Amino acid sequence: GAVVSQHPSWVICKSGTSVKIECRSLDFQATTMFWYRQFPKQSLMLMATSNEGSKATYEQGVEKDKFLINHASLTLSTLTVTSAHPEDSSFYICSALPGQGTDTQYFGPGTRLTVL
Amino acid sequence: AQKITQTQPGMFVQEKEAVTLDCTYDTSDPSYGLFWYKQPSSGEMIFLIYQGSYDQQNATEGRYSLNFQKARKSANLVISASQLGDSAMYFCAMSKAQGNLIFGKGTKLSVKP
Repeated sequence: GAVVSQHPSWVICKSGTSVKIECRSLDFQATTMFWYRQFPKQSLMLMATSNEGSKATYEQGVEKDKFLINHASLTLSTLTVTSAHPEDSSFYICSALPGQGTDTQYFGPGTRLTVL
Repeated sequence: AQKITQTQPGMFVQEKEAVTLDCTYDTSDPSYGLFWYKQPSSGEMIFLIYQGSYDQQNATEGRYSLNFQKARKSANLVISASQLGDSAMYFCAMSKAQGNLIFGKGTKLSVKP
């Protein structure tokens, strides 16, 4: 149980285009989902916290107009990188919190974004 | 401010031996959770073990055990009987009040045959 999927697993796009990444909890409902970013050989950095049906909470320094997050249902959150630039190239990974009774987050397999 | 410190950038261990990965944390919250995740080269984050701040006993999950020393604010991961498949990055993390995690910088474990 507690499986989280991400799609796509990798994407290459041209500078200036937008890319949407989906995060799905497959066998549980996630009241909260999180989006992280990881640069090579570095740790995960939280970008935003997404609660179903409400606006995402962004960490300091993360542009909310550039990284659009939508959490439309208890099993799906999307991250859209708008007008992507080469510096946005990174590994994006989501996690989902099943809800009451546990603090454990379950992570998706990640999406590797390369912006040319 | 909350902080997680992993002081070992890399560790080597012989196959079948035990290894301890260090983690210290800093928080003023009385209630918190401590986690260890494994990240192989494929990138996925695999949950290994969880310790709640009020748990009296150290957490264990198969070959993984968490050496929780609350007074020292340490939460070291012990892997017994190392296997070649254990080679990966290991991250210690702590949950904040909002539920999100803060991560340490990670330790790269290499298991030698």
